[in-house]
Amino acid sequence: AQTVTQSQPEMSVQEAETVTLSCTYDTSESDYYLFWYKQPPSRQMILVIRQEAYKQQNATENRFSVNFQKAAKSFSLKISDSQLGDAAMYFCAYLIWEGAQKLVFGQGTRLTINP
Amino acid sequence: SAVISQKPSRDICQRGTSLTIQCQVDSQVTMMFWYRQQPGQSLTLIATANQGSEATYESGFVIDKFPISRPNLTFSTLTVSNMSPEDSSIYLCSADRGNTEAFFGQGTRLTVV
Repeated sequence: AQTVTQSQPEMSVQEAETVTLSCTYDTSESDYYLFWYKQPPSRQMILVIRQEAYKQQNATENRFSVNFQKAAKSFSLKISDSQLGDAAMYFCAYLIWEGAQKLVFGQGTRLTINP
Repeated sequence: SAVISQKPSRDICQRGTSLTIQCQVDSQVTMMFWYRQQPGQSLTLIATANQGSEATYESGFVIDKFPISRPNLTFSTLTVSNMSPEDSSIYLCSADRGNTEAFFGQGTRLTVV
């Protein structure tokens, strides 16, 4: 079964600094998609960034970038110039097809930004 | 990107009763999904709501407990039936237009007393 593991239940960073959140996954597929979602206290899940496995280039969205290591099955999220609004739960997710496509989520990492 | 309106945003219900949660998407979508997020935990998929056919349930979830409707390509409901305190969770709906990027409603925080 496909699994997604986030080994850091909590992380904190000083405002304006850089933080990296870790994620590993297990799959036998060669083509798949990986995502990072953010869940602020408002509860709504917000897509932060997406990576297609067939692309070697790491995805980047403004201050957010990933380090995708396909052979190691690792997909970390780097947040640069951290802002107070970045404080949230961050979930790594893997998209699988089992009859229909669905997302499998990691356990989440709670990110705190210290002013 | 598309918007999902989910309601109610929260509710407190008596055990033994049922609650129906609604999700309305502002455009037609191929697939809709219902997730449960228990306190302090990650999201677990309950079922995939298919338009024109029965929902597809994940292991551990059954139609009698979580009946789902999908009458058209923009709307779905999830009912939590015969509730117990163990059903206290956040329930989220999600949609996908077929481009692999899922977007979510605001979630419903359910407390069963």
